[in-house]
Amino acid sequence: ETGVTQTPRHLVMGMTNKKSLKCEQHLGHNAMYWYKQSAKKPLELMFVYSLEERVENNSVPSRFSPECPNSSHLFLHLHTLQPEDSALYLCASSQDRGGSALDEQFFGPGTRLTVL
Amino acid sequence: QQQVKQSPQSLIVQKGGISIINCAYENTAFDYFPWYQQFPGKGPALLIAIRPDVSEKKEGRFTISFNKSAKQFSLHIMDSQPGDSATYFCAAGKTYNTDKLIFGTGTRLQVFP
Repeated sequence: ETGVTQTPRHLVMGMTNKKSLKCEQHLGHNAMYWYKQSAKKPLELMFVYSLEERVENNSVPSRFSPECPNSSHLFLHLHTLQPEDSALYLCASSQDRGGSALDEQFFGPGTRLTVL
Repeated sequence: QQQVKQSPQSLIVQKGGISIINCAYENTAFDYFPWYQQFPGKGPALLIAIRPDVSEKKEGRFTISFNKSAKQFSLHIMDSQPGDSATYFCAAGKTYNTDKLIFGTGTRLQVFP
């Protein structure tokens, strides 16, 4: 596996379910990100982790709970979601947390989430 | 202050034509303007980026034009090809805070043979 991988690629869940999204980066990067991509809306940054420490939480509802057990893996735990949470959830990684002009973010293919 | 406005929302171009996508930003502190390309089923990938010390940057068929006074920048795709059909996102941010990019809403480009 190379780059940034995400599983599952598609997920359908009810509002009372609990599920988790997984992201793995094989690039040796130190920073990882969760984004929400909704149709006709700008990409929304949700969380940023740097060296496994959460450094950014952009007013995301508590029904989204991130976890970063090590610098290669990032999870997004979901519970009691709403239909408006249906979107493409993208994971990204970069060498460091944007502190250098060279800190390009590499994106995974995303998880298409549908909340019924 | 934090919005990036992108237009058009969708664009249809014939093969060999020029595709032009425009973006406008508000925050004068921004000094890093990347463009991302996203194919269906894939995540966005950095295509080309510019900093305001130059007014134009060219990489192959892709050119960014930058107008600092107007706070606008645009992507030009010369000799557009069907393989260029994708969604293009502009973004703006600060060079040393590239973890906090502000993205545009995207332009879906379709290039027909």
